[in-house]
Amino acid sequence: DAMVIQNPRYQVTQFGKPVTLSCSQTLNHNVMYWYQQKSSQAPKLLFHYYDKDFNNEADTPDNFQSRRPNTSFCFLDIRSPGLGDAAMYLCATSRETPDYNEQFFGPGTRLTVL
Amino acid sequence: AQKITQTQPGMFVQEKEAVTLDCTYDTSDPSYGLFWYKQPSSGEMIFLIYQGSYDQQNATEGRYSLNFQKARKSANLVISASQLGDSAMYFCAMGTGNQFYFGTGTSLTVIP
Repeated sequence: DAMVIQNPRYQVTQFGKPVTLSCSQTLNHNVMYWYQQKSSQAPKLLFHYYDKDFNNEADTPDNFQSRRPNTSFCFLDIRSPGLGDAAMYLCATSRETPDYNEQFFGPGTRLTVL
Repeated sequence: AQKITQTQPGMFVQEKEAVTLDCTYDTSDPSYGLFWYKQPSSGEMIFLIYQGSYDQQNATEGRYSLNFQKARKSANLVISASQLGDSAMYFCAMGTGNQFYFGTGTSLTVIP
């Protein structure tokens, strides 16, 4: 089945220790998104790729970086995680349409920072 | 500016009863899509139902229906015959172009 996969599902890291979260998709969608979701809040968009074009949200901290080496994969790098970065990280994909873009979500990676 | 508004932070419903979760939106684009997602405690965002701005009929998917009132800019989710497994967070969202906006969510608890 076509899907969005995130690995790992749970990630524990230490304060300041770089961590990478991965997302892959078999939907062949050209748009990929990374969201951060803290407890009891709506997902907050960090950035998205439109094909290889990177689009950063204005309030996304520099501590967060992303890479998309090909259509299928996208990575979220947190260079120096702080306690405030503990959250669920959701990857989503969509195909560009002229009218709307339904997003397909992966299961998320829950990040704990010790 | 707030694009999606969900005014009910928490809702309770008796098992087997119907419940309506409110959502209003704001856009000047003529073409947009409205979505509802369910997020259980496991964290996965599960797509429930979609309504296009040009759709004449209200969307339905099993026990879920979307009450789309374009003039009022509302897109309420109706869950019929609630089940215990429906207890979760519910997010209303709007897609327009390459932008996607989430509401703040409604926490639904189904009471046995």
